Amino acid sequence: GAVVSQHPSRVICKSGTSVKIECRSLDFQATTMFWYRQFPKQSLMLMATSNEGSKATYEQGVEKDKFLINHASLTLSTLTVTSAHPEDSSFYICSARDWDTDTQYFGPGTRLTVL
Amino acid sequence: DAKTTQPPSMDCAEGRAANLPCNHSTISGNEYVYWYRQIHSQGPQYIIHGLKNNETNEMASLIITEDRKSSTLILPHATLRDTAVYYCIVRARMNRDDKIIFGKGTRLHILP
Repeated sequence: GAVVSQHPSRVICKSGTSVKIECRSLDFQATTMFWYRQFPKQSLMLMATSNEGSKATYEQGVEKDKFLINHASLTLSTLTVTSAHPEDSSFYICSARDWDTDTQYFGPGTRLTVL
Repeated sequence: DAKTTQPPSMDCAEGRAANLPCNHSTISGNEYVYWYRQIHSQGPQYIIHGLKNNETNEMASLIITEDRKSSTLILPHATLRDTAVYYCIVRARMNRDDKIIFGKGTRLHILP
């Protein structure tokens, strides 16, 4: 099956710093990628949708200046959490849509802890 | 909002078939039923999808009622590794603006 990778898998940072998370589709091209956030014991919450070469579309309540998304190629999207604070600590999951099969595949997730 | 309704939790004995129900009474004619599962601290894993015919792959079977208002995911011989949260999702295909919105899913416990 299609594989989506994320890097890093776990990151701990100090409050006020920025953290970049990479999402790659390894064996297919993804014109559309998605970023989700998941808090403990809750379901995944969609943060934004990004299409290659265009600006991301953010869900209501998600600050676009805080969560910067770049989808520069058909296999790579990045999420940068700017000026991170403890309340940004969460499990961040990306997914990529394989247009050939029109199926969305998910990465393994990145656990962010902000001290 | 999620367009599906699932029981919050279910138990199943190891080795038995796990049958997970899903109601999607407002499903549109062009929407498919997808199933994903999330094992603790991992990203969701695609399981299976279907439109109106029953589907089977190496992981599971999907049974969709004739009126398409509900479906059942069947894990034929559940193992402890199948313990996870299972999400039933309806979505249209080949739609650039389509996105997956997760509901609360069903937490499946496989009992030894």
